[in-house]
Amino acid sequence: EAGVVQSPRYKIIEKKQPVAFWCNPISGHNTLYWYRQNLGQGPELLIRYENEEAVDDSQLPKDRFSAERLKGVDSTLKIQPAELGDSAVYLCASFWRSDEQFFGPGTRLTVL
Amino acid sequence: DQQVKQNSPSLSVQEGRISILNCDYTNSMFDYFLWYKKYPAEGPTFLISISSIKDKNEDGRFTVFLNKSAKHLSLHIVPSQPGDSAVYFCAASARGTYKYIFGTGTRLKVLA
Repeated sequence: EAGVVQSPRYKIIEKKQPVAFWCNPISGHNTLYWYRQNLGQGPELLIRYENEEAVDDSQLPKDRFSAERLKGVDSTLKIQPAELGDSAVYLCASFWRSDEQFFGPGTRLTVL
Repeated sequence: DQQVKQNSPSLSVQEGRISILNCDYTNSMFDYFLWYKKYPAEGPTFLISISSIKDKNEDGRFTVFLNKSAKHLSLHIVPSQPGDSAVYFCAASARGTYKYIFGTGTRLKVLA
């Protein structure tokens, strides 16, 4: 069984540029999470999807961040425009039925 | 407001000895707790969990203890092996919310 796939693995951009991250969860997993992990911190939830519905986006900075999961499978997280403080690792995780989340390897974003 | 705290950023243990990682929480609504292990450049992987109806859960070399009155849990690894060297995150959830709050992590180094 393939794990959670994320791309790109690394991204370096100038501030004010847009950036997008892609996640393909484990097949059949209805629930998908996007987390942000700052250096020396634990993952912090940005948004949770149940199928294609965003059921918790209370911590998503909506002025610059957006996300979609159009067909309830893969998902895209976008930042426009990026700021210096957005430098972090962006993690995607999925699960189905159990309480165990399966995390992807993450995308390390550096904003210069 | 840090609802889940891991006060030890790092821990070094000799191979074969016991590793004890600690985690404190403040929210009394939390009733499900998990430990994740993270290697560099990888996403966190699930290790072990415990529900608040239990005070101990064991899985091979890993045991998690929960002290609800003290709002404290700990992860014991016996015996510790060099391959256990990683960052360990504790996470907490109120069952049914599917929202996980992570601690800041403890970096464990097992010395051969």
